[in-house]
Amino acid sequence: DAGITQSPRHKVTETGTPVTLRCHQTENHRYMYWYRQDPGHGLRLIHYSYGVKDTDKGEVSDGYSVSRSKTEDFLLTLESATSSQTSVYFCAISESASGTSYEQYFGPGTRLTVT
Amino acid sequence: QKEVEQDPGPLSVPEGAIVSLNCTYSNSAFQYFMWYRQYSRKGPELLMYTYSSGNKEDGRFTAQVDKSSKYISLFIRDSQPSDSATYLCAMSKTGANSKLTFGKGITLSVRP
Repeated sequence: DAGITQSPRHKVTETGTPVTLRCHQTENHRYMYWYRQDPGHGLRLIHYSYGVKDTDKGEVSDGYSVSRSKTEDFLLTLESATSSQTSVYFCAISESASGTSYEQYFGPGTRLTVT
Repeated sequence: QKEVEQDPGPLSVPEGAIVSLNCTYSNSAFQYFMWYRQYSRKGPELLMYTYSSGNKEDGRFTAQVDKSSKYISLFIRDSQPSDSATYLCAMSKTGANSKLTFGKGITLSVRP
């Protein structure tokens, strides 16, 4: 998985609790992304980062925040988890040498269940 | 209308069949076109990419892009049970900080 790890790999939590997912890369890639994957919706971008402390929203960012204090780590936080955030979360990385970010490498995913 | 549409499937074929997977899109600014393969309970992995129009071949896989019709295809020849996976098309504009837009994916099953 191209030097990308995600932790935890599985998590069950209760509605209203905060949850933080971690993505760690060893590739020194500039760009990092958080997606969620749900049946019938495919992969949807939550947030992304184009450098340390530089982040931006994706199409489904409500209820999520991110932080990137080091090149290798990108954290996704659910401030107050809801059942609608039950999903599989994927982190991805890319290096944009040509000015585009088309080639993304994905982590193994985190399966989150909110009860 | 979503920017990228992909037949939801699922699709089941016998081993050795030729498989055709397709996506349509509406945004003419897309210039990079990709196919990702995702095995069950794994992350997607890049299978092929094409810049602008044309064909690209890699072993049993051929990717085609027809920008005039806003239509992309992935062909798999001599399909194998190991090709059983979900296939997602993805597209991107050019320029810094461009993001990928994914289709919903189609699950392919190749029967021995």
